[in-house]
Amino acid sequence: GNSVTQMEGPVTLSEEAFLTINCTYTATGYPSLFWYVQYPGEGLQLLLKATKADDKGSNKGFEATYRKETTSFHLEKGSVQVSDSAVYFCALTPRQGGSEKLVFGKGTKLTVNP
Amino acid sequence: DTGVSQNPRHKITKRGQNVTFRCDPISEHNRLYWYRQTLGQGPEFLTYFQNEAQLEKSRLLSDRFSAERPKGSFSTLEIQRTEQGDSAMYLCASSLTSPVTDTQYFGPGTRLTVL
Repeated sequence: GNSVTQMEGPVTLSEEAFLTINCTYTATGYPSLFWYVQYPGEGLQLLLKATKADDKGSNKGFEATYRKETTSFHLEKGSVQVSDSAVYFCALTPRQGGSEKLVFGKGTKLTVNP
Repeated sequence: DTGVSQNPRHKITKRGQNVTFRCDPISEHNRLYWYRQTLGQGPEFLTYFQNEAQLEKSRLLSDRFSAERPKGSFSTLEIQRTEQGDSAMYLCASSLTSPVTDTQYFGPGTRLTVL
């Protein structure tokens, strides 16, 4: 089946620290991969995406590279800010049999302290 | 572009009652999705529509749940005979079928509490 596993939180960092949130996936086809972010009191927002192996998605200083050999899509940011405090979800769409549903990980809560 | 809207934002009901939620997608989007999110978990897929056709349903969607999108625009999700286990955030998302993007845009959600 299709599933996403991401590192358990919560993660607490100081401002300007380096961030990595690990994400690995299991999929039977060639999925598209996503990171969504949920800021406090707000809805889910797409942060970045990658649709094929070796693609790098990037946005707002965040990056993630689609690694087919390790079935991973780790999220990184070189210098986090207090405003990055949120819950981050890794997700995939299987793209098999025409299915476009998103399969999410459990989420990782990030808190950045000044 | 006003984004995806959902109503109501909060719903409190007693066990055994029926509830209905509404989702208005981004106007030109032909696909509409429903997800359910419980505390500390990621969203779980329930069902999706392409225009007015319901193309996929999760096994999570019991017989008490029904979704419609009668004119290919807004959608409703009805839960009959609610149970305490139905308490969750119900999320709606929409997307535009396109060769270059399939990004799903989410609404703010409807939080259901079943007493």
